[in-house]
Amino acid sequence: GAVVSQHPSWVICKSGTSVKIECRSLDFQATTMFWYRQFPKQSLMLMATSNEGSKATYEQGVEKDKFLINHASLTLSTLTVTSAHPEDSSFYICSANSGRVGRGAFFGQGTRLTVV
Amino acid sequence: DAKTTQPTSMDCAEGRAANLPCNHSTISGNEYVYWYRQIHSQGPQYIIHGLKNNETNEMASLIITEDRKSSTLILPHATLRDTAVYYCIVDGNNDMRFGAGTRLTVKP
Repeated sequence: GAVVSQHPSWVICKSGTSVKIECRSLDFQATTMFWYRQFPKQSLMLMATSNEGSKATYEQGVEKDKFLINHASLTLSTLTVTSAHPEDSSFYICSANSGRVGRGAFFGQGTRLTVV
Repeated sequence: DAKTTQPTSMDCAEGRAANLPCNHSTISGNEYVYWYRQIHSQGPQYIIHGLKNNETNEMASLIITEDRKSSTLILPHATLRDTAVYYCIVDGNNDMRFGAGTRLTVKP
């Protein structure tokens, strides 16, 4: 199946700093990518939809100025957590699809962010 | 909001079939039924999907009722490594929205 890779797998950062997470589709072009956040013992919550060449669409309650999304190419989307705080500590997961209905989405392995 | 309802948890004996139900009574005609699973601290893993017909692959079978309002994921011979949270998702445009899923525990 298609491969989506996230980097880094885990990161620890200090409060107030920014962290960038990369999501790459390795063997297909992804017109759309999605970013999720998952807190312990909870389900995945969709944060935003990243569209290649245009602005991301954020879900209600997600601060677009805090979670910056860039989808500059058909194989790469990045999520930057700006001015991170301990409450931003979470498991961040991306997914990508080729835009073909019925093919589903392919998920990255996730990034564990810990803000200290 | 998620469009599916799943039991919170299920147990299954190793080597037996695991049957995971999902209700999706408000499914639209163009929406597919997808199943993913998530093992602790990993990204979701695709299992299977279908529209109307029953589907089978190397991992599982998917049985969709004729009215498409419910489905069942079948793992024919569950192993300990199948212990995970299983998510049933109905989707028509690939922005997968997750419900709480079913925590399947396979016991020796």
